[in-house]
Amino acid sequence: NAGVTQTPKFQVLKTGQSMTLQCAQDMNHEYMSWYRQDPGMGLRLIHYSVGAGITDQGEVPNGYNVSRSTTEDFPLRLLSAAPSQTSVYFCASSPTARGGEQYFGPGTRLTVT
Amino acid sequence: GNSVTQMEGPVTLSEEAFLTINCTYTATGYPSLFWYVQYPGEGLQLLLKATKADDKGSNKGFEATYRKETTSFHLEKGSVQVSDSAVYFCALSRNSGNTPLVFGKGTRLSVIA
Repeated sequence: NAGVTQTPKFQVLKTGQSMTLQCAQDMNHEYMSWYRQDPGMGLRLIHYSVGAGITDQGEVPNGYNVSRSTTEDFPLRLLSAAPSQTSVYFCASSPTARGGEQYFGPGTRLTVT
Repeated sequence: GNSVTQMEGPVTLSEEAFLTINCTYTATGYPSLFWYVQYPGEGLQLLLKATKADDKGSNKGFEATYRKETTSFHLEKGSVQVSDSAVYFCALSRNSGNTPLVFGKGTRLSVIA
């Protein structure tokens, strides 16, 4: 099992560029989520999905879009990158949102100049 | 709303010292409680969990007890090693609805030989 995979591992963007961070899991988990990690801020939830075709906003959704067309994939789109989006992004999955352990990917370090 | 407060770091200890990282929570109902660990350059991985009051989670010499009366889930280890150097996150997950994990801000631990 690969678990949760994320690509790319590192990315540098210029302000205004768009890109998609990829996330895939092979555990048939219903629940997937995206977090960003910033120094002194812990992990903040961006978007989450409780199943294919269903997504919802987290704590810091502005500037990001998501879709969930399959159980396995949950891409995160940055529409017009800003320096404030410089961060480390983690994708996670779980069999259920209710009281369950989340499994994290290795992260994508994004720098916006 | 749900929230987690954990002691601020960084925490620096000598090898074989006793470790306590405090964590308290605010939640309605009966959440599940977790400690996650993040080693340098990696994603988060579950260290231990407890799903009901008075449960004790344990793993790799670490322990934490779910204390409903004090709304706490403090992490302890009797003798830390250099390899325990990492960032530790306390988190909660409600056992109903689609609420994802709520994380504390993390505590960085450095263990010196």
